[in-house]
Amino acid sequence: AQSVAQPEDQVNVAEGNPLTVKCTYSVSGNPYLFWYVQYPNRGLQFLLKYITGDNLVKGSYGFEAEFNKSQTSFHLKKPSALVSDSALYFCAVRPVNNAGNMLTFGGGTRLMVKP
Amino acid sequence: DSGVTQTPKHLITATGQRVTLRCSPRSGDLSVYWYQQSLDQGLQFLIQYYNGEERAKGNILERFSAQQFPDLHSELNLSSLELGDSALYFCASSVGGGAGAGTDTQYFGPGTRLTVL
Repeated sequence: AQSVAQPEDQVNVAEGNPLTVKCTYSVSGNPYLFWYVQYPNRGLQFLLKYITGDNLVKGSYGFEAEFNKSQTSFHLKKPSALVSDSALYFCAVRPVNNAGNMLTFGGGTRLMVKP
Repeated sequence: DSGVTQTPKHLITATGQRVTLRCSPRSGDLSVYWYQQSLDQGLQFLIQYYNGEERAKGNILERFSAQQFPDLHSELNLSSLELGDSALYFCASSVGGGAGAGTDTQYFGPGTRLTVL
């Protein structure tokens, strides 16, 4: 069975500083990996995904994520954080051979960006 | 706005009751997924329908059922409700859902917040 771990419940960063939200995964075989963001009282918004190819994936709102197969990680990054980036971030995995295409989510990481 | 709509936004009901949550996928999407978000269980996959047929089942209770209609909208039925069923229920949709559609992005609706008193 697949699983996703987001080891930090909360990440605090000052506006303008770089941010990293960590994600590690466990699947049988190759994974498809996704990041979503959830703002208060809103649904999940898709940020980016890794399917294959370049390990550095660029997504919406200046976010990017780096796939590291040897460390089974897919950390979300942004060079310069904005106060408006404050939200709940979810990493998700789907095994390549998953016939049902369902996503398995991590527990979420709350990002707090302070002015 | 993802293009996925869910109604109602909020639902308050009593234990033992039955409710129906409705989801309309993005135009052109054939798959609908239901997820439950609760404080203790996090985000969990419940069930997927693809072009009217059940495609995959997750941690869905026997008291819960779903269906996808010919116009591709979906309904999630929750019966004999318990306090622990209080949660945010999300619907998501994607273009495909059959074999080879694993790269498809799932787009989420705003959710229905269910409160069971």
